[in-house]
Amino acid sequence: GAVVSQHPSWVICKSGTSVKIECRSLDFQATTMFWYRQFPKQSLMLMATSNEGSKATYEQGVEKDKFLINHASLTLSTLTVTSAHPEDSSFYICSAREWTGPGAKNIQYFGAGTRLSVL
Amino acid sequence: GNSVTQMEGPVTLSEEAFLTINCTYTATGYPSLFWYVQYPGEGLQLLLKATKADDKGSNKGFEATYRKETTSFHLEKGSVQVSDSAVYFCALRGGSNYKLTFGKGTLLTVNP
Repeated sequence: GAVVSQHPSWVICKSGTSVKIECRSLDFQATTMFWYRQFPKQSLMLMATSNEGSKATYEQGVEKDKFLINHASLTLSTLTVTSAHPEDSSFYICSAREWTGPGAKNIQYFGAGTRLSVL
Repeated sequence: GNSVTQMEGPVTLSEEAFLTINCTYTATGYPSLFWYVQYPGEGLQLLLKATKADDKGSNKGFEATYRKETTSFHLEKGSVQVSDSAVYFCALRGGSNYKLTFGKGTLLTVNP
């Protein structure tokens, strides 16, 4: 099946620094990518949806200036956590939707996630 | 809004035991329902789905039936294996909305 690669899988950073997480669709073109956040023992919460070449659409309560999303190509989206603080520590998961033409099956494929720890 | 409530884990079973993970949902309209599985160190993978009432999704010995009258989509497997150890997520996608709403996930551990 289709593969979504997410990097890094784990990152530790100091408070106030910025961290970039990459999400790549390896063998398909993803016109839409999704970014989720998961707290321990909680659901995956959708943070934002990005379409290639346009601005991301953020969910209510998600700070767009804190979580910068770029989707510059059909195979790459990045999430940058700016000026990270300990409360940003979480598990971040990306997902890519495969475009298979008109009448697409709307299949979403998920990355393995990135654990961010802010000290 | 849409919501998914699934059985809290962890669930620990012996090999060949019967598995049920309960999932109920709240949604407007006629959502599609999904079960995703996440094996250690990997991304979520679609396990099975059902798009309308009374549909049964099945894959790898797992089954779930879309029950509109009870707003449920319980996951079952007759005989689990050690390799089934993973986190299982119930999810829905409502109507024309492409967004997935997930449950909290249930950790299943199968012992030999």
